[in-house]
Amino acid sequence: TQLLEQSPQFLSIQEGENLTVYCNSSSVFSSLQWYRQEPGEGPVLLVTVVTGGEVKKLKRLTFQFGDARKDSSLHITAAQPGDTGLYLCAVLTGNQFYFGTGTSLTVIP
Amino acid sequence: SAVISQKPSRDICQRGTSLTIQCQVDSQVTMMFWYRQQPGQSLTLIATANQGSEATYESGFVIDKFPISRPNLTFSTLTVSNMSPEDSSIYLCSVESRLAETQYFGPGTRLLVL
Repeated sequence: TQLLEQSPQFLSIQEGENLTVYCNSSSVFSSLQWYRQEPGEGPVLLVTVVTGGEVKKLKRLTFQFGDARKDSSLHITAAQPGDTGLYLCAVLTGNQFYFGTGTSLTVIP
Repeated sequence: SAVISQKPSRDICQRGTSLTIQCQVDSQVTMMFWYRQQPGQSLTLIATANQGSEATYESGFVIDKFPISRPNLTFSTLTVSNMSPEDSSIYLCSVESRLAETQYFGPGTRLLVL
């Protein structure tokens, strides 16, 4: 079983649409991160959420950490082709980063 | 932040051969990590490489298949030995920033084994 389950696994939408990606776990974490990986590149950190219920905004991206600190969501408003990529949630547990199962997003112009 | 480069960026190899991937960081770091990733999927940690000691391998990965070197604080290599088509994947190195609580990744090495 995966520590972090993401849904959906694949998502293909038209430019301008909104979408939400989910990251779920049965474990509690002190913080959670979201990364985006564009084709041909390594993952890049988007945001870290640390407080239960916390909401962070990064332009058209809104990140929320669940009240119980077991899950998180990423909402993209008015998606653009530049948002295309693999979105990964991740947690630092002990001395190791664990990555979610990933959501592959394609935004069609 | 850290800037990481990897060589080669991609390669096509024959079954039974070995490939060594290089990872160079622009600053001194204690730990370096090697991951494997199928396109469009999540990352699987292969091993953690500390300078001056043997790498620590995750379950399912062994030193004979994936020998790692860490000769100094800015460089590491991962060798994929006796390759088979199942080794076709993207291999990424990374370093962590405990202060920033994040990992910085190289661009990856895309390996195809025929």
